[in-house]
Amino acid sequence: GQQLNQSPQSMFIQEGEDVSMNCTSSSIFNTWLWYKQDPGEGPVLLIALYKAGELTSNGRLTAQFGITRKDSFLNISASIPSDVGIYFCAGVTNTGNQFYFGTGTSLTVIP
Amino acid sequence: DAGITQSPRHKVTETGTPVTLRCHQTENHRYMYWYRQDPGHGLRLIHYSYGVKDTDKGEVSDGYSVSRSKTEDFLLTLESATSSQTSVYFCAISESVRVGEQFFGPGTRLTVL
Repeated sequence: GQQLNQSPQSMFIQEGEDVSMNCTSSSIFNTWLWYKQDPGEGPVLLIALYKAGELTSNGRLTAQFGITRKDSFLNISASIPSDVGIYFCAGVTNTGNQFYFGTGTSLTVIP
Repeated sequence: DAGITQSPRHKVTETGTPVTLRCHQTENHRYMYWYRQDPGHGLRLIHYSYGVKDTDKGEVSDGYSVSRSKTEDFLLTLESATSSQTSVYFCAISESVRVGEQFFGPGTRLTVL
């Protein structure tokens, strides 16, 4: 299957700091997605990107669709305690029917 | 929140027994998906459906079968459960060609002894 390499695997940051994480693939995707998962719950979609080079924001979150279509980045500005969780990237193939997920970045925010 | 429920939420079973997990949606979405989530692997697609009686295999379909006889229900069956199928299983739904906008259920934790 498709391999999505997500980094870093985990982050421990102080409240108020900015966060950056990224996802790379050896394959081209037509859509990149970012999800957040809280313990014991299903992932929740944060941002969807549909076009190479696209930069999209959702509050303090900003994500970019890499111009090579093989990578994507997520930034969180001014982190707060409720940002704690696991963040997943996902890529969608050109058929639009299959999703491939990264292994996740675990974020801990220290008050 | 999208109306997705999964049942059961927790199940412990023995190797070799059949297991069926149910996903039920109230959103009338066309697409439904089954994933498993394991440490170090993220979410991996097992099977998906793009309409009633229309299903296809995902990345890790071996040992699993699915059925969708109604728009609202998508069943995942393990014909003969193995310990390697111990996992958390998530169902997801999406509406249309903008399939990026996927909504996940709460998950089912399955333990195979």
